[in-house]
Amino acid sequence: AQSVSQHNHHVILSEAASLELGCNYSYGGTVNLFWYVQYPGQHLQLLLKYFSGDPLVKGIKGFEAEFIKSKFSFNLRKPSVQWSDTAEYFCAVNSYRDYKLSFGAGTTVTVRA
Amino acid sequence: DAGVTQSPTHLIKTRGQHVTLRCSPISGHKSVSWYQQVLGQGPQFIFQYYEKEERGRGNFPDRFSARQFPNYSSELNVNALLLGDSALYLCASSLGQGTNEQFFGPGTRLTVL
Repeated sequence: AQSVSQHNHHVILSEAASLELGCNYSYGGTVNLFWYVQYPGQHLQLLLKYFSGDPLVKGIKGFEAEFIKSKFSFNLRKPSVQWSDTAEYFCAVNSYRDYKLSFGAGTTVTVRA
Repeated sequence: DAGVTQSPTHLIKTRGQHVTLRCSPISGHKSVSWYQQVLGQGPQFIFQYYEKEERGRGNFPDRFSARQFPNYSSELNVNALLLGDSALYLCASSLGQGTNEQFFGPGTRLTVL
């Protein structure tokens, strides 16, 4: 069975600071990787996804993530955060064998103006 | 263009009752998945339906059941409600199963008293 771990439960940053959220998964086969974001009062939205190809993936709103297969990691980054990036961020994984999405517990990011 | 819609938005039930939650996928999407999100955790997979057939089931008791209709909308049923069933129930739709991106609805907040 797949499992996903997110290293940080709550991250507090100031505007313009850089953000990196860790995500590791356990599954030995071919996986698809996702980062979802949930802004306050809104539903889950896809930030970016990795299916194959270039391991550095660019998403919406200036976010990017790097897939490192040898480390089973898919860390999310943003060079300079804004107050509007305050949200909960979820890493998720599925595989060709098991189509369900397995989510991490989420990281709450608070950006102070 | 309408996204995934779910009804009702909120629901309060008492222990032992049953509940039916509804989901309408994005037009053209043939797959619907259901997730349970308990406060402070990531969504947990319950079911996936594709072309009206169950294609995946998570680690939930038989009190949970679902179905998909010819128009690809779906219902999630939970019988003999327990306090621990209190959660946000999310529906996600995708074009097909497998690698397709899943789009999430706003969820139904179920409170069991």
